Amino acid sequence: DGGITQSPKYLFRKEGQNVTLSCEQNLNHDAMYWYRQDPGQGLRLIYYSQIVNDFQKGDIAEGYSVSREKKESFPLTVTSAQKNPTAFYLCASSLQGRRANEQFFGPGTRLTVL
Amino acid sequence: QKEVEQNSGPLSVPEGAIASLNCTYSDRVSQSFFWYRQYSGKSPELIMSIYSNGDKEDGRFTAQLNKASQYVSLLIRDSQPSDSATYLCAVRVAAGGTSYGKLTFGQGTILTVHP
Repeated sequence: DGGITQSPKYLFRKEGQNVTLSCEQNLNHDAMYWYRQDPGQGLRLIYYSQIVNDFQKGDIAEGYSVSREKKESFPLTVTSAQKNPTAFYLCASSLQGRRANEQFFGPGTRLTVL
Repeated sequence: QKEVEQNSGPLSVPEGAIASLNCTYSDRVSQSFFWYRQYSGKSPELIMSIYSNGDKEDGRFTAQLNKASQYVSLLIRDSQPSDSATYLCAVRVAAGGTSYGKLTFGQGTILTVHP
């Protein structure tokens, strides 16, 4: 089955810790994205990557870091510099070209800071 | 002014009725428009995309785009309780002629279909 997987589904972090959220896709999509969703709000773009070894900051990149060493994988690290990290994190991927922004989402990771 | 605006609702309709969801956007060069459905606690699911003015129908769903008035709407005919979800509008603006353009989401409209 083709799709996007995210792990873990739930993650608890102590203040001051860095945590890494996994995102893997086997859709052969070139572009991958990370979003954050807070209650009652839409999705806000954290980082995106169009090709391997390249990525760009989105609207709310402060306190986050990413890497894109493989086409299939786009992990997100939430650092201790992120002041309010409790949120629902969503990874997405898409093709390039006109269908570039038909983005398909993984199941999400719900991060809670204790 | 928000880039993409939706009425947060909740919008409540009886089963079998037509649900009408609206979205306005501020950037006139927006090119592509999408509707996502998100059930509580789940990730968004793409249900419609529309690129040119007019209507696009897919089953019980119809997306309507009016670029001159800068709005896009989603109609759900014969609404079912299973349609109860949050509907997110997303808009793409082309960036510098590249194939990628930023996708901006509205805050979503909560739809409740009651039996």
